[in-house]
Amino acid sequence: AQTVTQSQPEMSVQEAETVTLSCTYDTSESDYYLFWYKQPPSRQMILVIRQEAYKQQNATENRFSVNFQKAAKSFSLKISDSQLGDAAMYFCAYSRQGGSEKLVFGKGTKLTVNP
Amino acid sequence: GAGVSQSPSNKVTEKGKDVELRCDPISGHTALYWYRQRLGQGLEFLIYFQGNSAPDKSGLPSDRFSAERTGESVSTLTIQRTQQEDSAVYLCASSLYRTNTGELFFGEGSRLTVL
Repeated sequence: AQTVTQSQPEMSVQEAETVTLSCTYDTSESDYYLFWYKQPPSRQMILVIRQEAYKQQNATENRFSVNFQKAAKSFSLKISDSQLGDAAMYFCAYSRQGGSEKLVFGKGTKLTVNP
Repeated sequence: GAGVSQSPSNKVTEKGKDVELRCDPISGHTALYWYRQRLGQGLEFLIYFQGNSAPDKSGLPSDRFSAERTGESVSTLTIQRTQQEDSAVYLCASSLYRTNTGELFFGEGSRLTVL
């Protein structure tokens, strides 16, 4: 079974600085998707960024980028120029490719942004 | 609708009572998922619907939990004889079948408190 591990229960960063959230996963599949979702206090999960495993290029979305290391099964999220609105729970997630596969989530990292 | 809608937003019930939680997915999304999120934890998969069928119900924790979907639209998660350990946020998500992005779209969840 696929598993996702987030080893940092909590992280903090100063406003305007950069922070990296860690995620590792375990799978025997070669094709899959990886995601970072953000969950603010409103509870709604919001997609931050996604990565297809077959793509070697790391995904970027504005201030958010990932470091995808397929061989190491590592998928970290870098947030640059952190803003107060980035404060939230961040969840790393995995799904097998094809069809409508369920997401398998890590336990999350609570990010605090200090002014 | 524009997004995934869940009701009720909050539900307080007494131990032993039955509860029903409702999910309205995004129009046209044939795949629907239920997840459970206990306080401070990640998301646990409960059940997946494709149309009105549930090909994966492996996450339902006991036979007190059931779910149905009608008209390839609304889904209801029913918990019978609620226990205190059922207290959690129940999140619903939907997606297009065989999406090429793997992304799930989430509602804001129903917070269940069992006294």
